[in-house]
Amino acid sequence: GAVVSQHPSWVICKSGTSVKIECRSLDFQATTMFWYRQFPKQSLMLMATSNEGSKATYEQGVEKDKFLINHASLTLSTLTVTSAHPEDSSFYICSARAKIVGGSIYGYTFGSGTRLTVV
Amino acid sequence: SQKIEQNSEALNIQEGKTATLTCNYTNYSPAYLQWYRQDPGRGPVFLLLIRENEKEKRKERLKVTFDTTLKQSLFHITASQPADSATYLCALETGASKIIFGSGTRLSIRP
Repeated sequence: GAVVSQHPSWVICKSGTSVKIECRSLDFQATTMFWYRQFPKQSLMLMATSNEGSKATYEQGVEKDKFLINHASLTLSTLTVTSAHPEDSSFYICSARAKIVGGSIYGYTFGSGTRLTVV
Repeated sequence: SQKIEQNSEALNIQEGKTATLTCNYTNYSPAYLQWYRQDPGRGPVFLLLIRENEKEKRKERLKVTFDTTLKQSLFHITASQPADSATYLCALETGASKIIFGSGTRLSIRP
């Protein structure tokens, strides 16, 4: 089945530094990947849609200069949290969907998530 | 805008019973609706997808129904086991090919 690998699984960084999170589709090509943020006991909130070879599309209220997204290949998207602050501490998750084959529609495959703690 | 509501934040049932989770949406009926399982500290895992023209979908002990008149989907786990304890999320895809999630129901199965 489709697998999405996300690294790192957790990271602690100092306030003001930048952190990069990687999301890779291992056995399929993903022209589109999605980045979510999840706070404790809350649901997933879509931050942005990452498009291979073009600029990401950000949801309302998400600062594009703070959350830099790069989707340089069909199997890799990265999210960089720049000048991180404690309020950026959260659980970040990426997802992608395997190509629709034969009329079948598949659900989305999610990475295992990255727990970011900014101190 | 389209909204999804999962009315029960938490559900606690006895092992062996059937767990039933509810998902309601507010506006237009999506072409299909999805259910995911999320364990603590992990990303969601896809379980089932049901199309608007399907009344019911089954997968092992899981069953999903989709009622476009009521704008509701029910998710059932029969013969529940402690290992089924997790948060279950319903989700639908908007016209802009974005997936939006309900707030989730935290299911606990006690032995």
